[in-house]
Amino acid sequence: EDQVTQSPEALRLQEGESSSLNCSYTVSGLRGLFWYRQDPGKGPEFLFTLYSAGEEKEKERLKATLTKKESFLHITAPKPEDSATYLCAVDDYKLSFGAGTTVTVRA
Amino acid sequence: EAQVTQNPRYLITVTGKKLTVTCSQNMNHEYMSWYRQDPGLGLRQIYYSMNVEVTDKGDVPEGYKVSRKEKRNFPLILESPSPNQTSLYFCASSQTSYNEQFFGPGTRLTVL
Repeated sequence: EDQVTQSPEALRLQEGESSSLNCSYTVSGLRGLFWYRQDPGKGPEFLFTLYSAGEEKEKERLKATLTKKESFLHITAPKPEDSATYLCAVDDYKLSFGAGTTVTVRA
Repeated sequence: EAQVTQNPRYLITVTGKKLTVTCSQNMNHEYMSWYRQDPGLGLRQIYYSMNVEVTDKGDVPEGYKVSRKEKRNFPLILESPSPNQTSLYFCASSQTSYNEQFFGPGTRLTVL
């Protein structure tokens, strides 16, 4: 059975303290891996799509990387406005979401 | 503004009373889907639609119905809601099944 596991479940950071979120997956044939950001009471908002191992994408303080078995979302020098739940989703002709990592950045 | 809208945003109902949650997108997307989100379980797909008149079951379709008569609309129907359908529901759309999805604001449903 396909599985998408995100860790940690929750992450508390001080402003400026860089860290990484992990998304590990077991699928038969990866078509794409997506990262979304979800703020409380809102729908997920698209961040990145990664298609093949070795690929990297960046947006402001966020950088997503992909290997054959996992993806990392690196947050560099986070600010309080980066506080959100970050969701990973894997597409192998069926889209499966992880449970998310809730990031809290304190000023 | 490109968006996915859902109505209602909040709904409290009783067991067995049929309800419909509407979803509409203005981006001319072919693919639409419904998810439910429960604590610790993440987003689980209920139904999806590849294009008009074509729908298929997702991971958790029991107790739900959908229809796709027009490209822009994809309503979710609960014919006889039960308390275990209390959840946060999201509608999403994308150009194809493998593009990034645009999500609606969510509908919080409570079934008593």
